[in-house]
Amino acid sequence: ETGVTQTPRHLVMGMTNKKSLKCEQHLGHNAMYWYKQSAKKPLELMFVYSLEERVENNSVPSRFSPECPNSSHLFLHLHTLQPEDSALYLCASSAQLGGNQPQHFGDGTRLSIL
Amino acid sequence: GENVEQHPSTLSVQEGDSAVIKCTYSDSASNYFPWYKQELGKRPQLIIDIRSNVGEKKDQRIAVTLNKTAKHFSLHITETQPEDSAVYFCAASSGGSNYKLTFGKGTLLTVNP
Repeated sequence: ETGVTQTPRHLVMGMTNKKSLKCEQHLGHNAMYWYKQSAKKPLELMFVYSLEERVENNSVPSRFSPECPNSSHLFLHLHTLQPEDSALYLCASSAQLGGNQPQHFGDGTRLSIL
Repeated sequence: GENVEQHPSTLSVQEGDSAVIKCTYSDSASNYFPWYKQELGKRPQLIIDIRSNVGEKKDQRIAVTLNKTAKHFSLHITETQPEDSAVYFCAASSGGSNYKLTFGKGTLLTVNP
């Protein structure tokens, strides 16, 4: 399934670097999400976009900056990250904004902060 | 806000046996309950979901039951196969904030040949 594509798959960066994660969905969906997945923790919702408008910033530190230029693309810009930010970052999309809408996930970006 | 508890955290069964994973939720307004399967190094994949107007749903070897009164729902896998080995996550929609899914911590299922 290639409905939701994330790049890169793996990223190693220093705490002073700036990098960006990319997500693209080919499903014609209107809502997109960023999640953080850490070991032995539930998936944590970070940001939600609906029709390119951010509708949720779930108390995420400002060192994470999302961007949604259109309904098919979602970025997560990273700068001055901390070691505890090492995790799998998952992008998801759903047809419409709504908790009762099935969400489709990408393969994620495995991020390691040195 | 919504709180989802998932048990057990690990489950090991013999091939051919059944596996049951249980979740409880706190928000009585929650109305959508999906289950995801995540194989090692792969994306979470939606395997089955149920809405609050239904008590049970089945898809081949997988079934989900929902008890709204007790606020719990369960995933049942029958005739397990080694390829069923994965981490399974339950989730519940947050009734107050109607676009949020709250996830459980996951269950690592191992099916031994």
